[in-house]
Amino acid sequence: GEDVEQSLFLSVREGDSSVINCTYTDSSSTYLYWYKQEPGAGLQLLTYIFSNMDMKQDQRLTVLLNKKDKHLSLRIADTQTGDSAIYFCAEEGAGSYQLTFGKGTKLSVIP
Amino acid sequence: NAGVTQTPKFQVLKTGQSMTLQCAQDMNHEYMSWYRQDPGMGLRLIHYSVGAGITDQGEVPNGYNVSRSTTEDFPLRLLSAAPSQTSVYFCASSSQDQSSYEQYFGPGTRLTVT
Repeated sequence: GEDVEQSLFLSVREGDSSVINCTYTDSSSTYLYWYKQEPGAGLQLLTYIFSNMDMKQDQRLTVLLNKKDKHLSLRIADTQTGDSAIYFCAEEGAGSYQLTFGKGTKLSVIP
Repeated sequence: NAGVTQTPKFQVLKTGQSMTLQCAQDMNHEYMSWYRQDPGMGLRLIHYSVGAGITDQGEVPNGYNVSRSTTEDFPLRLLSAAPSQTSVYFCASSSQDQSSYEQYFGPGTRLTVT
């Protein structure tokens, strides 16, 4: 079945850029998503990218997609302490509304 | 709009007890789903529905039942709770309109089975 892999932890200093990486196996994925989860809360959609795009930028967020290598990354510029959270990568297969999630990357921002 | 609402927020059950986790959305979304989140496991799909009267199994359906009698509601039933069902449960909904890509998540129900 489909699989989505992420590193579990990332620690950065406030003001630096954070890069969270994700790999997936389903070559038919149509949309790829990044969700943010703060402690004790639900999931909040940060951004998404359609599979025919290479890059998407949204304010401090940049998503890069390498479809050949099935690699997705999320770059957060000027990382702030409020960005501390767990970030989930998720993929949606063709013709399906089901999401397959990675295990999440816990981002810790050091003041 | 209230979005996706879930009740209760917290629940403690004894092994063998039954209960229903409630989920409702007021966005007229066709697609609804239930996930469980366990430490180090991410979110795993339990059951989903593409419309009233239609449900299907996800990755981890055993021990759970669902029904979808209305567009708004998608309850998740645990018939005989087990400690392995201790988890945080999230309900989500989305439109099948191709112009809308976001799945909206509820705040979650934290369930402990002793």
